[in-house]
Amino acid sequence: EAGVAQSPRYKIIEKRQSVAFWCNPISGHATLYWYQQILGQGPKLLIQFQNNGVVDDSQLPKDRFSAERLKGVDSTLKIQPAKLEDSAVYLCASSPGHRETQYFGPGTRLLVL
Amino acid sequence: DQQVKQNSPSLSVQEGRISILNCDYTNSMFDYFLWYKKYPAEGPTFLISISSIKDKNEDGRFTVFLNKSAKHLSLHIVPSQPGDSAVYFCAAIGGSQGNLIFGKGTKLSVKP
Repeated sequence: EAGVAQSPRYKIIEKRQSVAFWCNPISGHATLYWYQQILGQGPKLLIQFQNNGVVDDSQLPKDRFSAERLKGVDSTLKIQPAKLEDSAVYLCASSPGHRETQYFGPGTRLLVL
Repeated sequence: DQQVKQNSPSLSVQEGRISILNCDYTNSMFDYFLWYKKYPAEGPTFLISISSIKDKNEDGRFTVFLNKSAKHLSLHIVPSQPGDSAVYFCAAIGGSQGNLIFGKGTKLSVKP
């Protein structure tokens, strides 16, 4: 069974530029999550989707971050404009349903200069 | 305000000995706990979990213990192997949405 796929793996941008990350969850998984992991910290949830609906986006900085999950499968996370403090690893995870074990992708490492 | 705390940033153990990783939590509404292992440049990998109605769960070399009264859980790895060297994250679930709340992680080094 294929795991969670993410791209790109690495991205370097300058502050005030925009960037987008892509995630393809495990086939059949209804729930998809985006996490931000800053160096030395544990992952922090940004947004949770159930199929193509948003379940929780309370910690998403909505003035600059946006996310969508088209057709309840793939998802994109966008940052516009980026700030220096957005430098982090962005992890995508999926699970069969909410409150079930989450499976993580390899992450996208973002560096904002 | 950290709800899940891993107070030891690092731990070094000799191969073959026991590794004990600790985790404390503050929110009594948490009802499910998980341990994830993370290698460099990879995403976290699920290792083992425990429901709040149990006090122990075992899977091969890995055992998780839960002490609800102390709001404390621990992961025991016996015997430790060099391939176990990684960062271990404790995580908790509480509430209807199933959001994972992670600790900061403990870096385990198992020396041959």
